[in-house]
Order: sequence, then C-alpha cells, then structure tokens
Amino acid sequence: AQSVAQPEDQVNVAEGNPLTVKCTYSVSGNPYLFWYVQYPNRGLQFLLKYITGDNLVKGSYGFEAEFNKSQTSFHLKKPSALVSDSALYFCAVRDFIRGGYNKLIFGAGTRLAVHP
Amino acid sequence: DADVTQTPRNRITKTGKRIMLECSQTKGHDRMYWYRQDPGLGLRLIYYSFDVKDINKGEISDGYSVSRQAQAKFSLSLESAIPNQTALYFCATSDLWDRGDEQFFGPGTRLTVL
Repeated sequence: AQSVAQPEDQVNVAEGNPLTVKCTYSVSGNPYLFWYVQYPNRGLQFLLKYITGDNLVKGSYGFEAEFNKSQTSFHLKKPSALVSDSALYFCAVRDFIRGGYNKLIFGAGTRLAVHP
Repeated sequence: DADVTQTPRNRITKTGKRIMLECSQTKGHDRMYWYRQDPGLGLRLIYYSFDVKDINKGEISDGYSVSRQAQAKFSLSLESAIPNQTALYFCATSDLWDRGDEQFFGPGTRLTVL
C-alpha cells in the first residue's frame, strides 16, 4: 500500500532563514506526490505536485520540493521563510484504486512555526 | 477555496443525534471526497464518489453514510453521533481529466459531539 511519512511534528525556523519540511514515501510504481498547506481556520490549499520530469518542483508562495528517488523523499523547501508561512503542511501520495480512479493518502502533517 | 463550500462551519451536538454535513461545489468536478482531520493523524478518507452513481467507502467509513444528490452536492451523515466523531471534516473535489489528481478543499466543518 502507498504511504507517506512526515517525521517531524513541528519545525521551527527564524524569519529569513531557509526552511525544510520533510516527507518520505513508500509506493509501488511511479509516485505522484503532493504538498498542501493549511492556514488556521481554512481548508487545505494545493502548493505543488510531482508527477514526472525535473526533480525540483516549483510551487506557490515561493515553495519548492525536491524529489529524490534513491532516498524516497519529497522534502518541501523555501530559501527564505516568512512569518506568514506559519501553518500546517501535509504531504500526500496518489494511491491507485482501479483504472482511471485514484485517491490521495495524506501524512500526519508538520506544523511550521516561523519566528520573527 | 470559495468554489467548494461546506455547511455548517461549526456544529455542536449531543451523543445519539443525527447530523448532516453538506458540501457544494461550483467547479464542475465529477469526483468528491469526505475526510476527517484529527490532530496527529492527518486527513483520513471517509467516503469518495467518482460520479453520482459511484460511491465508495474510504478507510474509516464506519458510523458514517453519504448521499450524492447531484454532481455538485455530496452530503455526509452521522446517523447516531458519538464523541469520538468530534473532528474537523473536509469536503474535496477533483477533476476527472486532471492527470495529477489535484484536490480542491472546502473550508471545513468543525463538529463537536458532547
């Protein structure tokens, strides 16, 4: 079965410093990987996805993620963190159900706290 | 995402009551999903529907039922609510033709069962 793991419950970073939120995956076949962000009292918002191609995926709000097949990782990164980036971040992987039909499996989430 | 709406946004109820959470979307997507979010557990899939006539159980469907009244509407019911169903519930949609299967989420319903 497909799965993702987010090994950190919380990540703390100072504003202006680079940030990394970690995700590892376990899939059979080629992975479709996603990052979503949840701001307080809001639904999840799509940040970026990896389907195929370039291992460095660029997304919304200056975020990017690096797909690493050998390490089965898909870490979310940003060169310079903002206080407004403070939120809950979810990694997800697509799980095949039957021909043409899929669903997403989410990690437990990582809370990012950016301090001024 | 304003294209996916959920009602109510907050609900407090008592054990044993029947509760319905509603989801509507204007995105024209065929696929709709119900998730619950619990701290430390991420999002878990309750039910999903790939079109009006195709409804499937997710990983935690016990105690829940759904109704897909139209392409745009997907309701989640708790027939007899219990306290461990206290959670944040999200509806989501996706496009049949989106190769990447990106999902679009509603703002959530916070349900408290006393």
